[in-house]
Amino acid sequence: QVQLQESGPGLVKASQTLSLTCTVSGGSISSGDYYWGWIRQPAGKGLEWIGRFYTSGSAKYSPSLKSRVTISVDTSKNQFSLKLSSVTAADTAVYYCRAYSSRWYPDYWGQGTLVTVSS
Amino acid sequence: QSALTQPPSVSGAPGQRVTISCTGSSSNTGAGYDVHWYQQLPGAVPKLLIYGNNNRPSGVPDRFSGSKSGTSASLAITGLQAEDEADYYCQSYDTSLSGVAFGGGTKLTVL
Repeated sequence: QVQLQESGPGLVKASQTLSLTCTVSGGSISSGDYYWGWIRQPAGKGLEWIGRFYTSGSAKYSPSLKSRVTISVDTSKNQFSLKLSSVTAADTAVYYCRAYSSRWYPDYWGQGTLVTVSS
Repeated sequence: QSALTQPPSVSGAPGQRVTISCTGSSSNTGAGYDVHWYQQLPGAVPKLLIYGNNNRPSGVPDRFSGSKSGTSASLAITGLQAEDEADYYCQSYDTSLSGVAFGGGTKLTVL
């Protein structure tokens, strides 16, 4: 069973870069068994897809965030990361990392981490 | 504006049957991509409820079922229980996004 844990600062200043890391256990990022990605959810609002990557090929990003987001991977640490630049209050949300198979089942989520953008 | 459209809210009494619709377009559901459904209980992480239009993960009660036809999909919940009160989201792949599209979510209230 894959387990995911998000980590990173809970408070980021406006205009700076949000950086989060997802640590994976119970499975290998480089195995090719799953897609790995990030989702966010502002308080009281719906789910928003940020992006994902697979072991082969480049990462895919939401068009609305593409100019500001980068997802990278460190296979040696079995971690992947999210960087979102030039943040504003609109980027305040719970950020989830996620792993899912090509059939969408199984589908694993981290517990989520709240990131607040302050002015 | 979400690529997949869901009603903001639905409600039903205990024991009743409710359905939640999810309407897409030619770039997602209408292109033949599968629909998946998630349940998010208050304060909890979204949980996969239905995958591949009508498949239940292990442990999901058979009171939950999914269907898809053309650009639309539906989640049906029978024998409604108080514990079903939650937000429900549909999800599909969208070619215009080259990625995942979520519906805006539907809040289910058990009366």
